[in-house]
Amino acid sequence: KQEVTQIPAALSVPEGENLVLNCSFTDSAIYNLQWFRQDPGKGLTSLLLIQSSQREQTSGRLNASLDKSSGRSTLYIAASQPGDSATYLCAVSQAGTALIFGKGTTLSVSS
Amino acid sequence: SAVISQKPSRDICQRGTSLTIQCQVDSQVTMMFWYRQQPGQSLTLIATANQGSEATYESGFVIDKFPISRPNLTFSTLTVSNMSPEDSSIYLCSVVGGRGGNTIYFGEGSWLTVV
Repeated sequence: KQEVTQIPAALSVPEGENLVLNCSFTDSAIYNLQWFRQDPGKGLTSLLLIQSSQREQTSGRLNASLDKSSGRSTLYIAASQPGDSATYLCAVSQAGTALIFGKGTTLSVSS
Repeated sequence: SAVISQKPSRDICQRGTSLTIQCQVDSQVTMMFWYRQQPGQSLTLIATANQGSEATYESGFVIDKFPISRPNLTFSTLTVSNMSPEDSSIYLCSVVGGRGGNTIYFGEGSWLTVV
């Protein structure tokens, strides 16, 4: 059974720092991996989607990497801002459809 | 992209009652899912809503407790039946779309509190 783990569970950093969020999964036979952002009281916003054949994806200050063989992904956030404060969720798809989620990393960026 | 509208966005429900959540998508989609996020927990898939046939439920979820309808390719409902405080959660509708048909989109969620 696929399990997704995210560490750390919570992270507090001052504005301007670069940071890395980690995600690991137990079954490397994934179809894709997706990083989401969830703001308090809001739904989910997709940040980056990495297909199983890809190694990384970039969007603005965000860079996500995927090492399928080791079952790991990282989300790198450059020059963090207070507006980045949210919960970041990692999820994998094994059938190209429904997702299996980690518990998330709650990020707080102070100004 | 797909725009998903969920109703209600929030509700406070009495124990023992049932509530139906609606999910409307602005385009036809083949795959629709319902997730639950209990307080402090991650998202858990409840079921896949199949158009024109019975939903496919994940382990731990049953049709009597979470009946689902999907009458067409843009609409689905999830009912939470005979609610108890343990059902207090965010319920999210999700669809598969995007240019390659492999991006997953989520609604804003329906925040239910059972008292």
